[in-house]
This record gives sequence, C-alpha cells and structure tokens, in this order.
Amino acid sequence: QQQVKQSPQSLIVQKGGISIINCAYENTAFDYFPWYQQFPGKGPALLIAIRPDVSEKKEGRFTISFNKSAKQFSLHIMDSQPGDSATYFCAAIFSGSRLTFGEGTQLTVNP
Amino acid sequence: ETGVTQTPRHLVMGMTNKKSLKCEQHLGHNAMYWYKQSAKKPLELMFVYNFKEQTENNSVPSRFSPECPNSSHLFLHLHTLQPEDSALYLCASSQAGGSMETQYFGPGTRLLVL
Repeated sequence: QQQVKQSPQSLIVQKGGISIINCAYENTAFDYFPWYQQFPGKGPALLIAIRPDVSEKKEGRFTISFNKSAKQFSLHIMDSQPGDSATYFCAAIFSGSRLTFGEGTQLTVNP
Repeated sequence: ETGVTQTPRHLVMGMTNKKSLKCEQHLGHNAMYWYKQSAKKPLELMFVYNFKEQTENNSVPSRFSPECPNSSHLFLHLHTLQPEDSALYLCASSQAGGSMETQYFGPGTRLLVL
C-alpha cells in the first residue's frame, strides 16, 4: 500500500507559535521523506527532507521529526510567521517508485 | 523560479474544445511528470516520461493525451473534457534515478471546464 496519510487538513496558528503537521505511512520500503511547500498560484517546492536513518533534521525554523518504529514523521515550524501561510505536503518515495504525497495541510499564521 | 515553466497559466474551455498545455524545463533533467491537483485531494500523478519515453500512465482517461517531443518539453493535449476535470495541472521534472529524487514543479495551469 503506497499511502501517506497527513493531518490536520487545516491549521491556524498565531504568529510566533509552533506549527505541527503529522504524516504516517504504511510501506516500510520508503526511504526518503520530503516536505513540499506550496503558495497560492505556485507549484509545490521542496522545503526539507529526511532519510529514515536519522530521527531529526533541522533547517532554520523548520524541523522534521522521524519515528521509524511508528512509521510517522512530522514537520515543526518554530516561531511561525504570516509568510509561512501555505499548503504543506508530506511525501515518501523509495528507489524505483514515484513520490507518494499526503493530502496536504493548509496552514494559516495569523499576525 | 524553479526552472519549470507552464503555459497557459489559466484556461477556460468548453467540453467540446481541444486545447493543449505546455511545459518546459530548463534544468537538464531527464524525467517529466504531469500531476492533477484538485481541492482537498492528494496530488494525482497522471503521466511519467523518462528520456522522452512514457513509463507510467496512471489509468488516465483517453481525453488526456500526453506528448514528450524531447526531454525539455512536455505537452498535455485535452479534448472533450468533463467539468470534473477542472483542476490545477502541474508539470514537474527531475533527474530520475535513486530514491532521493527531487521533483521541481512548475506553477501549474488552472483549468476550468464549462
């Protein structure tokens, strides 16, 4: 089963708060987990990605936490800003497969 | 900009029209993709081309017809579409091979079928 389940569908956070988006997968063959960010009128763009041999990856205010045993991974946005308002997609892939995307989370950061 | 351009950005067509969407990538990639993005649904992969050869067709209706004349250009020919085909159509490209494959997306064509 090549499914990736993402939650929540929408998220409203106050400026300066922490945004957390969660994803779960079934296929243990997945070995690369990227997150994409999509602004209105634009295509998705790679934000940050992780391999399952590490439990956390941080780039600036964005952190991926990975729990291999639970088959879950999450995106944390620290000190959320109104400019972070966008739709976020998690995804998963393994060699020879194609990217499988989650359903997306619409994040709104209020000023 | 990601290096992937799409035209037109917006398209309104009737169910009997024939139109084409165009995608061009300036990244030197060897794989190109068409995706359909509908509200509140995951991105749906439609077609994959590797080195100009179609390698995947995810049960897409024949009213969508892709064409890849070279590794930099990808078209999606549309005919006798249905209102439920209204969506954002995204093109992407990548350097295929390996699991750390990063796809670069264009801005999409917003299609409305009346």
